[in-house]
Amino acid sequence: GDSVTQMEGPVTLSEEAFLTINCTYTATGYPSLFWYVQYPGEGLQLLLKATKADDKGSNKGFEATYRKETTSFHLEKGSVQVSDSAVYFCALKSGNNNDMRFGAGTRLTVKP
Amino acid sequence: GAGVSQSPRYKVAKRGQDVALRCDPISGHVSLFWYQQALGQGPEFLTYFQNEAQLDKSGLPSDRFFAERPEGSVSTLKIQRTQQEDSAVYLCASSSRDTRYEQYFGPGTRLTVT
Repeated sequence: GDSVTQMEGPVTLSEEAFLTINCTYTATGYPSLFWYVQYPGEGLQLLLKATKADDKGSNKGFEATYRKETTSFHLEKGSVQVSDSAVYFCALKSGNNNDMRFGAGTRLTVKP
Repeated sequence: GAGVSQSPRYKVAKRGQDVALRCDPISGHVSLFWYQQALGQGPEFLTYFQNEAQLDKSGLPSDRFFAERPEGSVSTLKIQRTQQEDSAVYLCASSSRDTRYEQYFGPGTRLTVT
């Protein structure tokens, strides 16, 4: 069935460092891909999305490109801030399923 | 506008007790989802409603779990005879036809079974 595999954490970076969190997926058909973020004590928030191959989702300085050839949707940010510390979830939604399939999450800590 | 709300935010139950968790979706959202999130894991699907119809309950782990959405808005997830393995955060999400596949999540209810 459809599934998502994302880079295990935790990830610890210094402020202004470059961030990559890897995400690959397995799906039949053409899923939509998402990154959700969960700040401490809060619910999941949609960070960005891409609905077809080669689309780039972007928000708050984060980017991810839907790569069908490598079945990947890696999250990147050029310069992280302390406020980016959170857990990041990669997810997919395909037409074959009613639900969203999530990765296990990657905890990011950014130190000043 | 108001987002998805859930209550209670925290619930402690003794093993064997029944619990009821409430979800208020975003007004007008047709679709409603329940997920279970174990510590350190991503959310796992439990069940899906379109309006008042429960179209998919394939993720419910046992017949002790029951969900309803009688008027197509508020939903309740009920767990009977709770077990320790039911301890998790229960997330509710809603979506509309206009936001293709995009789901909006509530803050969750953290259930601890002692």
